[in-house]
Amino acid sequence: QKEVEQDPGPLSVPEGAIVSLNCTYSNSAFQYFMWYRQYSRKGPELLMYTYSSGNKEDGRFTAQVDKSSKYISLFIRDSQPSDSATYLCAGLYSSASKIIFGSGTRLSIRP
Amino acid sequence: DTEVTQTPKHLVMGMTNKKSLKCEQHMGHRAMYWYKQKAKKPPELMFVYSYEKLSINESVPSRFSPECPNSSLLNLHLHALQPEDSALYLCASSQEGGYTFGSGTRLTVV
Repeated sequence: QKEVEQDPGPLSVPEGAIVSLNCTYSNSAFQYFMWYRQYSRKGPELLMYTYSSGNKEDGRFTAQVDKSSKYISLFIRDSQPSDSATYLCAGLYSSASKIIFGSGTRLSIRP
Repeated sequence: DTEVTQTPKHLVMGMTNKKSLKCEQHMGHRAMYWYKQKAKKPPELMFVYSYEKLSINESVPSRFSPECPNSSLLNLHLHALQPEDSALYLCASSQEGGYTFGSGTRLTVV
């Protein structure tokens, strides 16, 4: 079993829709959880960085962590074609350790 | 400055060449990393430097040689690479509250 599981998609939604991206994880030792956005042939861009359970909001993006169910979510409101990218969820044991990535979900926003 | 800067952006090298990838950050992060990413796969960790000392080597072949000259710089020296080493090489740095990647060096070995 992978430590972080993520549906690879692809996921295609119309512009303006709310997007829900989800991951599950198996390792209770994760303390930090991240979401990265990666455009083709570019490095991953950190979108959200959360510690422990709860919600974190930044503009159109909301990250949720539920440690009791080992579930990580990213919601994108008012989705735009520029949001089309691969989204990677990740867990981290400590702030200076190896990132454990999910496989990434390819998202396409249709104009 | 909230960036990790990598040079060069693109590199083509022959199997007998020696080249170096460079990475720089001025965020005061004391942990720095090299990752390798193949197409349609997530990044895979190669090396971790913590406080300028190599703390993790993920069984990477010796044709990849990392170096951390100071707390802001990280190099990856390449020698006698194989075509299967062609990939996007990513540098990252981290501390509490952030784990930031550079844009990467796209390496092609011919």
